[in-house]
Amino acid sequence: DTEVTQTPKHLVMGMTNKKSLKCEQHMGHRAMYWYKQKAKKPPELMFVYSYEKLSINESVPSRFSPECPNSSLLNLHLHALQPEDSALYLCASSHGQNYGYTFGSGTRLTVV
Amino acid sequence: AQKVTQAQTEISVVEKEDVTLDCVYETRDTTYYLFWYKQPPSGELVFLIRRNSFDEQNEISGRYSWNFQKSTSSFNFTITASQVVDSAVYFCALSANYGQNFVFGPGTRLSVLP
Repeated sequence: DTEVTQTPKHLVMGMTNKKSLKCEQHMGHRAMYWYKQKAKKPPELMFVYSYEKLSINESVPSRFSPECPNSSLLNLHLHALQPEDSALYLCASSHGQNYGYTFGSGTRLTVV
Repeated sequence: AQKVTQAQTEISVVEKEDVTLDCVYETRDTTYYLFWYKQPPSGELVFLIRRNSFDEQNEISGRYSWNFQKSTSSFNFTITASQVVDSAVYFCALSANYGQNFVFGPGTRLSVLP
């Protein structure tokens, strides 16, 4: 298995909703990442997990809450989002941060 | 600080033309890694290549080739005999400082017309 699987592919949520994005990989990668990508921009790093521990939080607002239940799973819990949070959310994994990242196909999030 | 510049915002070519995407990087680290990713309209980012700073050998993979020149801090990507399926946004990226910093360039949108 050489894929990173993200669900759902599309999500529309209201500003008072609570939802979660899920990411799964079975490549034995020990580093997992959440990125946010706005239209016509490069991906921006949000969080890095290394060996299931949060190692980098790029000053992301607390309405985004990451969770790494085990080495294969990464969640992003969403609560009280704003319309400007609408974006493509990409999950990635790698053997380490100097290795090529394998990205999922993303969750396209719309906050209404 | 690390920085990646892709000066070409958008490029349009006709099918079967060769096209080169430019990438210039900045880092003070002596050990670093350079990457190219492809993002087709479907959205996923596809890893194309990783090159470390000690390996300046150019690489060819099918219609793709990469030219790494430390003297000019460039890591350019050439597609030979382009095809419509090559239409995508291409990102150059840099990992330095023992992986503490991973920076994407702004991307180049390539349109290959039939």
